[in-house]
Amino acid sequence: EPEVTQTPSHQVTQMGQEVILRCVPISNHLYFYWYRQILGQKVEFLVSFYNNEISEKSEIFDDQFSVERPDGSNFTLKIRSTKLEDSAMYFCASRQGGSTEAFFGQGTRLTVV
Amino acid sequence: GQNIDQPTEMTATEGAIVQINCTYQTSGFNGLFWYQQHAGEAPTFLSYNVLDGLEEKGRFSSFLSRSKGYSYLLLKELQMKDSASYLCAVNDYKLSFGAGTTVTVRA
Repeated sequence: EPEVTQTPSHQVTQMGQEVILRCVPISNHLYFYWYRQILGQKVEFLVSFYNNEISEKSEIFDDQFSVERPDGSNFTLKIRSTKLEDSAMYFCASRQGGSTEAFFGQGTRLTVV
Repeated sequence: GQNIDQPTEMTATEGAIVQINCTYQTSGFNGLFWYQQHAGEAPTFLSYNVLDGLEEKGRFSSFLSRSKGYSYLLLKELQMKDSASYLCAVNDYKLSFGAGTTVTVRA
């Protein structure tokens, strides 16, 4: 069964460092998303990406964040200068169309120290 | 803005039925999803309602009333493995999640 894959599963980084979280969405999907979940809190939308551009972003997705689909298969989330409060589980998701279910990757646990 | 409410916790006995309610007030609506999430894992899809009424899928059913801004997820014949968090999510071409309902199934 096709699945969304994310790497790494766990990343520890020092405050102020840049991190890149990687995702390979399901191959025939058109819509890509990043969500985050701070421990014990709800899943929050960060950004959606369609047709090689950002279609929507939340207030959380400030100038420190960027996304890229560099090669037609990978979908990356970059945090330019990490803060302690960026520590969370980051989920990548993809879907075929806007009204179909989103499939989530297993997540990357980011710990900023 | 998005306001999605669901109870924080529910406890039920193995073999029983549990109903998890979700009420929503959102700026856009293109259907409502229910996801299951075990601790430390990704959400996994359970059901989707875009029209009013009941959708049945094995032991799980979901109901939607768009006029009332209300949905529920019904879990029947509860098993220990159903202990998890259940997330209500409104679709507006992105998902807006409720805080989740932690269901604990006891023997």
